[in-house]
Amino acid sequence: EVKLLESGGGLVQPGGSLRLSCAASGFTFRNFAMSWVRQAPGKGLEWVSLIFGPGGTYYADSVKGRFTISRDNSKNTLYLQMNTLRAEDTAVYYCAKMDGIDYNNYCFDYWGPGTLVIVSS
Amino acid sequence: QSVLTQPPSVSGAPGQRVTVSCTGRSSNIETGHDVHWYQQLPGTAPKLLIYGNTNRPSGVPDRFSGSKSGTSASLTITGLQAEDEADYYCQSYDSTLSGSVFGTGTKVTVL
Repeated sequence: EVKLLESGGGLVQPGGSLRLSCAASGFTFRNFAMSWVRQAPGKGLEWVSLIFGPGGTYYADSVKGRFTISRDNSKNTLYLQMNTLRAEDTAVYYCAKMDGIDYNNYCFDYWGPGTLVIVSS
Repeated sequence: QSVLTQPPSVSGAPGQRVTVSCTGRSSNIETGHDVHWYQQLPGTAPKLLIYGNTNRPSGVPDRFSGSKSGTSASLTITGLQAEDEADYYCQSYDSTLSGSVFGTGTKVTVL
């Protein structure tokens, strides 16, 4: 059974930093791309970042230069380092496993329950 | 600002058929990138409902179906049930943005 569990969320001041983690189990972690997707309170879903099994990365324009996605395949863990946080980064952050024929057609087939990040003074 | 547009809400009585549309543009759906659909029940994480335009993951009831044509895609629920009341999102890949994009979301209400 695939399981994803995020941690590391909390309250942080504007300009501050936070590191999210996602522990994965039930599948061969190193073989799959992983993403972070966020959802602001009462709003829709927004893709944030993706990392391939070997480590190639992509980012949404809204977080490029501020967020860094990484993974430790030996620990089956995904990370998101978030720097220079803004109020508009307040959201539930979901970790999601990706699958599909190729990158251009990937879907998010499993999701974690999410972790809440609040950026406020 | 999402590049995939969905109606804010649709509703239907139990047993009826409802359709949720997802309209994109030349850099995503029209280019041929697959469309996927997610169901988000209140207070929970999204769940994959339809992948690759028309395919249902194991365990998803066959009353859910997907289609795609041109710059748009649709999710149809045939035989609406009370437990289908949720938010639904489409998702695809956008060549201009070089990343995944989600629809604006549609709240399905069972009358």
